[in-house]
Amino acid sequence: GQNIDQPTEMTATEGAIVQINCTYQTSGFNGLFWYQQHAGEAPTFLSYNVLDGLEEKGRFSSFLSRSKGYSYLLLKELQMKDSASYLCAVLDSNYQLIWGAGTKLIIKP
Amino acid sequence: GAVVSQHPSRVICKSGTSVKIECRSLDFQATTMFWYRQFPKQSLMLMATSNEGSKATYEQGVEKDKFLINHASLTLSTLTVTSAHPEDSSFYICSARARPDNEQFFGPGTRLTVL
Repeated sequence: GQNIDQPTEMTATEGAIVQINCTYQTSGFNGLFWYQQHAGEAPTFLSYNVLDGLEEKGRFSSFLSRSKGYSYLLLKELQMKDSASYLCAVLDSNYQLIWGAGTKLIIKP
Repeated sequence: GAVVSQHPSRVICKSGTSVKIECRSLDFQATTMFWYRQFPKQSLMLMATSNEGSKATYEQGVEKDKFLINHASLTLSTLTVTSAHPEDSSFYICSARARPDNEQFFGPGTRLTVL
């Protein structure tokens, strides 16, 4: 079956760095997405990786290793507004988006 | 990024009534639109996938006669919850994408409360 694993919850301190990991086993691979979802709101797109390596976008970076079925989202200089759930999703061979359950990130002052 | 609107943002209705939710892609043509449901503190659950001009594909366990989906144009999809019951109360979110390898852009969601 298809499976995406990410930690349920993480806690970090304002100003620090946090890495949210995602491992996946899917039938085929056409890219991996990270979304941010604040409580009570719809998800918003953060990043898309289809090739191995690191993609940097401001304070957020996303890394992909296809051979390991692994990705991480790196958040630097954490701000209180970064408290949200972070969803990892993989586009499989049928271009279906397979969602992880999300990682709730709690930022403490 | 692309913009997807959803209307209404919040609706409260009586049990047994039907509710229609609209999802529009404002600045791109969405060949595929998706409808999700999310219960409090739970992950997104895909309900159905719809391609413009064809019937929606429903996920296992989702009643197609209860959740009617119409994707009549490249910019509009509607979800109608027929004969709504309190257990249908949830956050309904649509998303749209232009091509299979594109990211999905999400609407702001519709919070449905059935009394």
